[in-house]
Amino acid sequence: DAMVIQNPRYQVTQFGKPVTLSCSQTLNHNVMYWYQQKSSQAPKLLFHYYDKDFNNEADTPDNFQSRRPNTSFCFLDIRSPGLGDAAMYLCATSRDQGTLPEQYFGPGTRLTVT
Amino acid sequence: AQSVAQPEDQVNVAEGNPLTVKCTYSVSGNPYLFWYVQYPNRGLQFLLKYITGDNLVKGSYGFEAEFNKSQTSFHLKKPSALVSDSALYFCAVRDPLNYGGSQGNLIFGKGTKLSVKP
Repeated sequence: DAMVIQNPRYQVTQFGKPVTLSCSQTLNHNVMYWYQQKSSQAPKLLFHYYDKDFNNEADTPDNFQSRRPNTSFCFLDIRSPGLGDAAMYLCATSRDQGTLPEQYFGPGTRLTVT
Repeated sequence: AQSVAQPEDQVNVAEGNPLTVKCTYSVSGNPYLFWYVQYPNRGLQFLLKYITGDNLVKGSYGFEAEFNKSQTSFHLKKPSALVSDSALYFCAVRDPLNYGGSQGNLIFGKGTKLSVKP
């Protein structure tokens, strides 16, 4: 089945130690998104790729970076995680064509910072 | 600024009864509205969307939502709730005026936890 895959599902990192979360998709969608969702809060968009074009949200901290080496993969890099970065990180994709498309979400990676 | 409000943190319903999860929005221009559902430790799943046309939108798993422009609402409904419908429900809006600049500018409400008891 076509899907959005996130690895790992659970990630523990130490304060200040760089960490990378990965997302892959078999949907061949041209848009990929990263959201941060803290406990009992709504998902918040960090950035997205429209094909190879990177679009950062204005209030996304510089500590968060992203890479998209090809259509299928997208990575979220947190350069120096702080305790406040503990959250669920959701990857989503959409095919940007025609009438407003819905987004397809992966299962998420729950990040713990110790 | 565009925003979405889900006034209820939690909705409790008995199985077999109708359910309503409320959502109101505030955007400039015509809104594009979505409902997503999130099961525990899972990503969000798309339920339905409103772009234009018929105010009653039918979606997955028997859910539907009614767009009401005068009340700026987009309430999610289901005629007969199931225990398996218990989950977190998010309403989201995308402002078409900002569509060109930010492809992913979905603004989510804070979510409503739906609990369906047998």
